[in-house]
Amino acid sequence: DAGVTQSPTHLIKTRGQHVTLRCSPISGHKSVSWYQQVLGQGPQFIFQYYEKEERGRGNFPDRFSARQFPNYSSELNVNALLLGDSALYLCASSPLAGGGSYEQYFGPGTRLTVT
Amino acid sequence: GDSVTQMEGPVTLSEEAFLTINCTYTATGYPSLFWYVQYPGEGLQLLLKATKADDKGSNKGFEATYRKETTSFHLEKGSVQVSDSAVYFCALSHDYKLSFGAGTTVTVRA
Repeated sequence: DAGVTQSPTHLIKTRGQHVTLRCSPISGHKSVSWYQQVLGQGPQFIFQYYEKEERGRGNFPDRFSARQFPNYSSELNVNALLLGDSALYLCASSPLAGGGSYEQYFGPGTRLTVT
Repeated sequence: GDSVTQMEGPVTLSEEAFLTINCTYTATGYPSLFWYVQYPGEGLQLLLKATKADDKGSNKGFEATYRKETTSFHLEKGSVQVSDSAVYFCALSHDYKLSFGAGTTVTVRA
């Protein structure tokens, strides 16, 4: 079975531009979460979506937004890019919403570089 | 809020040495605890988990026990291999998100 897929793999943008990152969850998984991993740090939670609704949001500015589509795939959008947005963006899927014992399965990530 | 503190690295070991990575957490309620591993250039892979106090998670020779009294979830492996070289993240799950530690880089020399 295919795992979580993300596109693109790498991306280079200029300050002030907009970026869209895409994620397809594992088949049958209805929940998608997004994390930002700055070099040398642990991932930080950005959003969780379940059944196309936002279920949780981390401490990120409104420049960050996301949505989930009827096929459960998801997009993460970042407006007005800053140098500090340079990071590995990870998508994770799980069968259900909520934490508990439901582990999240991570994709390979999108490496975003802002110059 | 929820937080995870793990042993700072980097850690360098010889093959067949014993590995311990300390992890402590702060959380309300009863979170589930996880260890994830990240190999160079890859995403995160779940290594093991424990969902309640005194549970022991194990996988690929790694073990960790959920200790509620000390709020700890230390990772151990009795005999490491070169292929265990990676970054290891301790994490807790509460409600809808995972909270991660800063990661510990482990390098195993042949």
